Amino acid sequence: GNSVTQMEGPVTLSEEAFLTINCTYTATGYPSLFWYVQYPGEGLQLLLKATKADDKGSNKGFEATYRKETTSFHLEKGSVQVSDSAVYFCALSEGRGATNKLIFGTGTLLAVQP
Amino acid sequence: EAGVAQSPRYKIIEKRQSVAFWCNPISGHATLYWYQQILGQGPKLLIQFQNNGVVDDSQLPKDRFSAERLKGVDSTLKIQPAKLEDSAVYLCASSPSGRGSYNEQFFGPGTRLTVL
Repeated sequence: GNSVTQMEGPVTLSEEAFLTINCTYTATGYPSLFWYVQYPGEGLQLLLKATKADDKGSNKGFEATYRKETTSFHLEKGSVQVSDSAVYFCALSEGRGATNKLIFGTGTLLAVQP
Repeated sequence: EAGVAQSPRYKIIEKRQSVAFWCNPISGHATLYWYQQILGQGPKLLIQFQNNGVVDDSQLPKDRFSAERLKGVDSTLKIQPAKLEDSAVYLCASSPSGRGSYNEQFFGPGTRLTVL
């Protein structure tokens, strides 16, 4: 079945460091790909998405490119801030047909130190 | 615009007891989801409603879990009887539409259940 694998955390960085969180997927068909973020004490929020191969999703300085050839959707940010500390989830949507349920990875905790 | 509301935020029960969670989706959203998030794992879909009909409940442990969405608005998820392994955060999400194309899912803050 469809699945998402993302790098284990925690990832600890200093402020202004470069961030990469790896995500690979297994899917039949043509899924849409997402990054969700969960700040402490809050619900999941959509950070960015890409719906087809070679699309680049971007938001708040974060970027991820849908790479069909490597089945990857790695999250990057050039300069992280303390406020970026959160759990990041990579997800895919099986989004054709009757349902569009999300399949999530296990999440990666990012801790940014001042 | 008000977000997805869930209650209670926290619940502690003994095993074999019953518990119910409530969710009020964003107004006008046709699709409602319940996810289970066990500590250290990503959320897993339990059930999806389109209006008041069930679209996908393939991952719902039907011997102990039940859910309903009367009148196609708010929803309740019930566990009876609870087991230790049901300890998790239960997330409710809603989206404008669920069929044929992806619409963003908006998540509530979740209910953290601890089964002792």
